[in-house]
Amino acid sequence: NAGVMQNPRHLVRRRGQEARLRCSPMKGHSHVYWYRQLPEEGLKFMVYLQKENIIDESGMPKERFSAEFPKEGPSILRIQQVVRGDSAAYFCASSPVQGELFFGEGSRLTVL
Amino acid sequence: GIQVEQSPPDLILQEGANSTLRCNFSDSVNNLQWFHQNPWGQLINLFYIPSGTKQNGRLSATTVATERYSLLYISSSQTTDSGVYFCAVERGTGGFKTIFGAGTRLFVKA
Repeated sequence: NAGVMQNPRHLVRRRGQEARLRCSPMKGHSHVYWYRQLPEEGLKFMVYLQKENIIDESGMPKERFSAEFPKEGPSILRIQQVVRGDSAAYFCASSPVQGELFFGEGSRLTVL
Repeated sequence: GIQVEQSPPDLILQEGANSTLRCNFSDSVNNLQWFHQNPWGQLINLFYIPSGTKQNGRLSATTVATERYSLLYISSSQTTDSGVYFCAVERGTGGFKTIFGAGTRLFVKA
Protein backbone atom coordinates (compact mmCIF):
# COMPACT_ATOMS: atom_id res chain seq x y z
CA ASN A 1 0.00 0.00 0.00
CA ALA A 2 1.82 3.07 -1.27
CA GLY A 3 2.17 6.00 1.07
CA VAL A 4 1.92 9.67 0.26
CA MET A 5 4.09 10.36 -2.76
CA GLN A 6 5.75 13.72 -3.29
CA ASN A 7 7.88 14.87 -6.18
CA PRO A 8 10.30 16.20 -6.85
CA ARG A 9 12.24 15.38 -3.70
CA HIS A 10 14.69 18.17 -4.39
CA LEU A 11 14.15 21.23 -6.56
CA VAL A 12 16.54 24.09 -7.31
CA ARG A 13 15.21 27.31 -8.78
CA ARG A 14 16.66 30.73 -9.46
CA ARG A 15 14.95 33.81 -8.12
CA GLY A 16 11.96 34.73 -10.25
CA GLN A 17 11.30 31.23 -11.56
CA GLU A 18 8.29 29.08 -10.77
CA ALA A 19 8.26 26.00 -8.55
CA ARG A 20 5.65 23.25 -8.83
CA LEU A 21 5.43 20.60 -6.16
CA ARG A 22 3.24 17.54 -6.57
CA CYS A 23 1.56 15.30 -4.04
CA SER A 24 -0.35 12.07 -4.58
CA PRO A 25 -2.32 11.09 -1.46
CA MET A 26 -2.56 7.59 -0.09
CA LYS A 27 -5.10 5.39 -1.80
CA GLY A 28 -8.55 6.06 -0.41
CA HIS A 29 -7.61 9.43 1.06
CA SER A 30 -9.55 12.44 -0.15
CA HIS A 31 -8.06 15.15 2.09
CA VAL A 32 -4.70 16.79 1.38
CA TYR A 33 -2.71 19.23 3.49
CA TRP A 34 0.43 21.21 2.68
CA TYR A 35 2.93 22.32 5.32
CA ARG A 36 6.15 24.32 5.13
CA GLN A 37 9.17 23.71 7.33
CA LEU A 38 11.98 26.22 7.51
CA PRO A 39 15.39 24.95 8.71
CA GLU A 40 15.43 24.15 12.43
CA GLU A 41 11.75 25.06 12.79
CA GLY A 42 8.43 23.27 13.12
CA LEU A 43 5.82 22.62 10.47
CA LYS A 44 3.56 25.52 9.53
CA PHE A 45 0.14 24.82 8.06
CA MET A 46 -0.42 26.28 4.59
CA VAL A 47 -3.57 24.85 3.02
CA TYR A 48 -6.15 22.08 3.33
CA LEU A 49 -7.87 20.75 0.22
CA GLN A 50 -10.41 18.16 -0.81
CA LYS A 51 -11.00 17.11 -4.39
CA GLU A 52 -11.66 20.27 -6.44
CA ASN A 53 -12.11 22.39 -3.30
CA ILE A 54 -9.90 24.53 -1.12
CA ILE A 55 -11.24 24.13 2.41
CA ASP A 56 -8.82 26.26 4.42
CA GLU A 57 -6.00 28.37 2.96
CA SER A 58 -5.45 30.55 6.01
CA GLY A 59 -1.74 29.64 6.12
CA MET A 60 -0.98 30.46 2.50
CA PRO A 61 0.85 33.68 1.68
CA LYS A 62 -1.54 35.98 -0.17
CA GLU A 63 0.70 36.41 -3.18
CA ARG A 64 2.67 34.04 -5.42
CA PHE A 65 1.39 30.84 -3.74
CA SER A 66 -1.49 28.72 -4.97
CA ALA A 67 -2.69 25.16 -4.50
CA GLU A 68 -5.10 22.84 -6.23
CA PHE A 69 -6.36 19.29 -5.95
CA PRO A 70 -8.08 18.43 -9.23
CA LYS A 71 -10.61 15.70 -9.78
CA GLU A 72 -7.92 13.66 -11.52
CA GLY A 73 -4.25 13.71 -10.70
CA PRO A 74 -2.09 14.91 -7.84
CA SER A 75 -2.38 17.99 -5.70
CA ILE A 76 -0.12 20.80 -6.86
CA LEU A 77 1.50 23.54 -4.78
CA ARG A 78 2.66 26.31 -7.07
CA ILE A 79 5.03 29.09 -6.13
CA GLN A 80 5.48 31.84 -8.67
CA GLN A 81 8.45 34.21 -8.86
CA VAL A 82 10.32 32.42 -6.11
CA VAL A 83 12.50 34.35 -3.67
CA ARG A 84 15.27 33.11 -1.39
CA GLY A 85 12.90 33.14 1.58
CA ASP A 86 10.84 30.42 -0.12
CA SER A 87 13.68 27.95 0.41
CA ALA A 88 12.23 25.31 2.70
CA ALA A 89 10.95 21.77 2.94
CA TYR A 90 7.36 21.44 1.78
CA PHE A 91 5.47 18.49 3.19
CA CYS A 92 2.21 17.06 2.00
CA ALA A 93 -0.08 14.96 4.17
CA SER A 94 -3.28 13.08 3.48
CA SER A 95 -6.09 11.64 5.55
CA PRO A 96 -9.24 9.64 4.77
CA VAL A 97 -11.49 12.13 6.57
CA GLN A 98 -10.59 14.60 9.29
CA GLY A 99 -8.37 12.28 11.26
CA GLU A 100 -4.91 10.78 11.30
CA LEU A 101 -2.49 12.49 8.94
CA PHE A 102 0.14 10.60 6.97
CA PHE A 103 3.04 12.56 5.53
CA GLY A 104 5.12 12.23 2.42
CA GLU A 105 8.89 12.55 2.48
CA GLY A 106 8.78 16.20 1.52
CA SER A 107 10.07 18.34 -1.31
CA ARG A 108 13.11 20.45 -0.55
CA LEU A 109 13.16 23.70 -2.48
CA THR A 110 16.36 25.69 -2.80
CA VAL A 111 16.21 29.14 -4.35
CA LEU A 112 19.51 30.48 -5.63
CA GLY B 1 -5.94 30.31 17.34
CA ILE B 2 -5.03 27.29 19.37
CA GLN B 3 -1.59 27.26 20.98
CA VAL B 4 0.53 24.09 21.21
CA GLU B 5 3.50 24.13 23.57
CA GLN B 6 6.04 21.35 23.87
CA SER B 7 8.60 20.81 26.57
CA PRO B 8 11.46 20.47 26.97
CA PRO B 9 12.70 22.10 23.76
CA ASP B 10 15.92 20.11 23.86
CA LEU B 11 16.88 16.89 25.57
CA ILE B 12 20.10 14.91 25.73
CA LEU B 13 19.96 11.34 27.03
CA GLN B 14 22.41 8.57 27.63
CA GLU B 15 21.46 5.42 25.78
CA GLY B 16 19.20 3.32 27.98
CA ALA B 17 17.65 6.24 29.85
CA ASN B 18 13.94 6.99 30.02
CA SER B 19 12.25 10.30 29.25
CA THR B 20 8.91 12.06 29.19
CA LEU B 21 7.96 14.69 26.62
CA ARG B 22 5.01 16.98 27.23
CA CYS B 23 2.51 18.72 24.96
CA ASN B 24 0.11 21.35 26.29
CA PHE B 25 -2.68 22.79 24.18
CA SER B 26 -4.86 25.81 24.81
CA ASP B 27 -8.26 24.63 23.60
CA SER B 28 -10.30 21.49 23.14
CA VAL B 29 -9.18 19.29 20.29
CA ASN B 30 -10.67 16.56 18.16
CA ASN B 31 -7.44 14.80 17.36
CA LEU B 32 -3.87 14.67 18.61
CA GLN B 33 -0.88 13.00 17.00
CA TRP B 34 2.75 12.44 17.93
CA PHE B 35 5.36 12.33 15.18
CA HIS B 36 9.07 11.62 15.09
CA GLN B 37 11.11 13.48 12.50
CA ASN B 38 14.29 11.51 12.00
CA PRO B 39 17.65 13.06 11.09
CA TRP B 40 16.84 12.48 7.40
CA GLY B 41 13.75 14.64 7.70
CA GLN B 42 11.13 11.91 7.44
CA LEU B 43 8.00 12.30 9.57
CA ILE B 44 7.06 9.04 11.23
CA ASN B 45 3.63 8.54 12.79
CA LEU B 46 3.98 7.45 16.41
CA PHE B 47 0.53 7.76 17.94
CA TYR B 48 -2.92 8.97 17.00
CA ILE B 49 -4.27 9.63 20.48
CA PRO B 50 -7.06 12.17 21.04
CA SER B 51 -7.58 10.65 24.49
CA GLY B 52 -6.47 7.75 26.64
CA THR B 53 -3.27 5.74 26.66
CA LYS B 54 -1.54 3.72 23.95
CA GLN B 55 1.66 1.73 23.86
CA ASN B 56 3.89 0.63 21.01
CA GLY B 57 7.04 -1.17 22.07
CA ARG B 58 9.27 1.17 24.05
CA LEU B 59 7.01 4.13 23.40
CA SER B 60 3.75 5.01 25.05
CA ALA B 61 1.52 8.07 25.08
CA THR B 62 -1.22 9.44 27.26
CA THR B 63 -3.62 12.25 26.43
CA VAL B 64 -5.79 13.87 29.12
CA ALA B 65 -8.10 15.91 26.93
CA THR B 66 -10.01 17.49 29.83
CA GLU B 67 -6.75 18.92 31.19
CA ARG B 68 -5.38 19.75 27.73
CA TYR B 69 -2.11 17.89 27.72
CA SER B 70 -0.45 14.82 26.29
CA LEU B 71 2.68 12.95 27.34
CA LEU B 72 5.02 10.81 25.29
CA TYR B 73 7.15 8.30 27.19
CA ILE B 74 10.33 6.85 25.75
CA SER B 75 11.83 3.99 27.70
CA SER B 76 15.29 2.43 27.29
CA SER B 77 16.23 5.05 24.73
CA GLN B 78 18.38 4.12 21.73
CA THR B 79 20.52 6.24 19.44
CA THR B 80 17.96 5.71 16.69
CA ASP B 81 15.43 7.61 18.82
CA SER B 82 17.33 10.82 18.09
CA GLY B 83 15.49 13.48 16.13
CA VAL B 84 12.62 15.86 16.75
CA TYR B 85 9.35 14.85 18.33
CA PHE B 86 6.30 16.85 17.32
CA CYS B 87 2.88 17.02 18.87
CA ALA B 88 0.10 18.07 16.47
CA VAL B 89 -3.52 18.85 17.27
CA GLU B 90 -6.66 19.34 15.25
CA ARG B 91 -9.22 21.71 16.61
CA GLY B 92 -12.74 20.72 15.67
CA THR B 93 -14.28 24.15 15.46
CA GLY B 94 -13.30 27.04 13.26
CA GLY B 95 -11.57 24.88 10.70
CA PHE B 96 -9.97 21.48 10.54
CA LYS B 97 -6.31 22.25 10.12
CA THR B 98 -3.79 20.40 12.24
CA ILE B 99 -1.40 22.65 14.16
CA PHE B 100 2.09 21.56 15.17
CA GLY B 101 4.04 22.41 18.28
CA ALA B 102 7.63 23.59 17.97
CA GLY B 103 8.95 20.14 18.84
CA THR B 104 11.36 18.54 21.30
CA ARG B 105 14.81 17.92 19.88
CA LEU B 106 16.22 14.67 21.34
CA PHE B 107 19.79 13.46 21.11
CA VAL B 108 20.62 10.03 22.51
CA LYS B 109 24.30 9.43 23.21
CA ALA B 110 25.86 6.00 22.79
